[in-house]
Amino acid sequence: EVQLVESGGGLVQTGGSLRLSCEASGFPFSFYPMNWVRQAPGKGLEWISYISSGSHDMYYADSVKGRFTVSRDNAKNSVHLQMNSLRVEDTAVYYCARYGGGNSVYWGQGTLVTVSS
Amino acid sequence: EIVMTQSPATLSVSPGETVTLSCRASQSISNNLAWYQQKPGQAPRLLMSGVSIRATGIPARFSGSGSGTEFTLTISSLQSEDFAIYYCQQSFHWPPWTFGQGTKVEI
Repeated sequence: EVQLVESGGGLVQTGGSLRLSCEASGFPFSFYPMNWVRQAPGKGLEWISYISSGSHDMYYADSVKGRFTVSRDNAKNSVHLQMNSLRVEDTAVYYCARYGGGNSVYWGQGTLVTVSS
Repeated sequence: EIVMTQSPATLSVSPGETVTLSCRASQSISNNLAWYQQKPGQAPRLLMSGVSIRATGIPARFSGSGSGTEFTLTISSLQSEDFAIYYCQQSFHWPPWTFGQGTKVEI
């Protein structure tokens, strides 16, 4: 069974940093690209980052480019999102998702990031 | 960036009815269109990819159609567990992968 478990969310002040982690199990992690998608309270879904299986390609939404960095450790079946210079508008539930065929096929349960001013 | 627009924002329906949700892309995305379902407090779940290919475990009452810029998700004989928010997402031109704003199907 595919499982994705996010962690690392919490309350942080504007300008602060957080590092989110997503631990994967139930599939050959090193074969799959991974996405991060977020959802602000009461809002829709926003793709924010992609990392290829071997970390050769990384993409970011304009809203987070230059502030967020995605990385992965295939030996530990984990993907991370380093979030710096956080803004109030970054408040959201952050999901990691396994990428496949252009889509986010399997999703974690999400971790809540709250940025306060 | 391809903009995805869903309509309507909310659909009020009764169990047993058939509903049709619409999704429009700002430019042609061929058949690179997926649908996701999200229930309150839960992560989204992939329903459909490639316009009409149901994901594992998705019942046959869910069907997708369309190509180019106009797409629909049809739910036949709506069940109580189908009340949720539905999002479309394009994967034709990326990054970014873009979602519609969602359609809420409510009683």
